[in-house]
Amino acid sequence: RKEVEQDPGPFNVPEGATVAFNCTYSNSASQSFFWYRQDCRKEPKLLMSVYSSGNEDGRFTAQLNRASQYISLLIRDSKLSDSATYLCVVYTGGFKTIFGAGTRLFVKA
Amino acid sequence: GAVVSQHPSRVICKSGTSVKIECRSLDFQATTMFWYRQFPKKSLMLMATSNEGSKATYEQGVEKDKFLINHASLTLSTLTVTSAHPEDSSFYICSARDQDGRRLDEQYFGPGTRLTVT
Repeated sequence: RKEVEQDPGPFNVPEGATVAFNCTYSNSASQSFFWYRQDCRKEPKLLMSVYSSGNEDGRFTAQLNRASQYISLLIRDSKLSDSATYLCVVYTGGFKTIFGAGTRLFVKA
Repeated sequence: GAVVSQHPSRVICKSGTSVKIECRSLDFQATTMFWYRQFPKKSLMLMATSNEGSKATYEQGVEKDKFLINHASLTLSTLTVTSAHPEDSSFYICSARDQDGRRLDEQYFGPGTRLTVT
């Protein structure tokens, strides 16, 4: 089993739609969680940090369920500019950060 | 947020030559930097953890004699791909952690270096 697993995607949604991505992690001692966004041929950029049960920033909501070892990212009112790959990232302490394989999102007009 | 730069952004080299990539933290000190490699449509794969003033820690399967890492100062780490081959062509990304005042679990990524070996 992979340490961090994400929905395979790609997700193809129309503008204005709500889309949710899921991520599971295997290490119960994981300390903190992040969602990064990566555009094609660019570096990952931090979208949201999730330290407690959840976090909301505008159209983006991240939720954490430690009991189920599950993190989600919800995007409301999708924009064309939201098209990217979304990476689930788990920090397990020390220097150990694990990246998920990413979920590709395409938002279409 | 913290800024990390990489140089060059893009390089094309011939098989058998060596290429050096620089990673700099511009507005903070980073005792630890990370080097990743990403193939098309694949996730980032950690290659090594670079520690200032000491030897880098390489991930399993990464040849330390092929990917030389030097972290000589608190703001600079270099990755040298020695005797490059076409299969080394990839997107190389560095990241850094700010040990002073920011969360230790947040990484700041450089813009990446696209290496093409012909």
